[in-house]
Amino acid sequence: DGGITQSPKYLFRKEGQNVTLSCEQNLNHDAMYWYRQDPGQGLRLIYYSQIVNDFQKGDIAEGYSVSREKKESFPLTVTSAQKNPTAFYLCASSARRSLGAQYGYTFGSGTRLTVV
Amino acid sequence: AQSVTQLDSQVPVFEEAPVELRCNYSSSVSVYLFWYVQYPNQGLQLLLKYLSGSTLVKGINGFEAEFNKSQTSFHLRKPSVHISDTAEYFCAVSFFGNEKLTFGTGTRLTIIP
Repeated sequence: DGGITQSPKYLFRKEGQNVTLSCEQNLNHDAMYWYRQDPGQGLRLIYYSQIVNDFQKGDIAEGYSVSREKKESFPLTVTSAQKNPTAFYLCASSARRSLGAQYGYTFGSGTRLTVV
Repeated sequence: AQSVTQLDSQVPVFEEAPVELRCNYSSSVSVYLFWYVQYPNQGLQLLLKYLSGSTLVKGINGFEAEFNKSQTSFHLRKPSVHISDTAEYFCAVSFFGNEKLTFGTGTRLTIIP
């Protein structure tokens, strides 16, 4: 079955440590997105990519980095510069970038990151 | 400015009662409208979407929504809720010419047995 796989489901990070969250899709979607979810704040866009080897900052990109070397993969690195990284992270993809988001997004099941 | 607002952060409803979750948007261009549901510790699942045509849209799990252009609203309704409907619901809007979805802050629906 096609879908988006996020791993790991739970991740613990020590202070000052970088961690990478994995996002893989087999839907042949062009665009991929990373969101951060905090209680009561909805979803906030971190980064998005419409095509391989290209990506744009979202609303809260500081302290995060991404790469898009393959169409199927869009990993997110939470760097030590992110002061409050504890949150639920969601990856999503959409089919037709040039026609806007009219097809909606398909979401992964999320990664819960906790700083210890 | 383009934005989307969910007016209620929490909605408690008795089981088998009807429910309406409100969503309003602000835009000077055409929009596509979506409702998503999120169960605890899971990703978001598409409930329904409005792209064009009939303003009454039916989705999964017995939910429906009505697009009202004059009131810039897209409220979600279900005539009789079940305990399994307990979840967080997100309204999302895509503004014509923009490839990204803008999400509301979510409404937590709690079903009271």
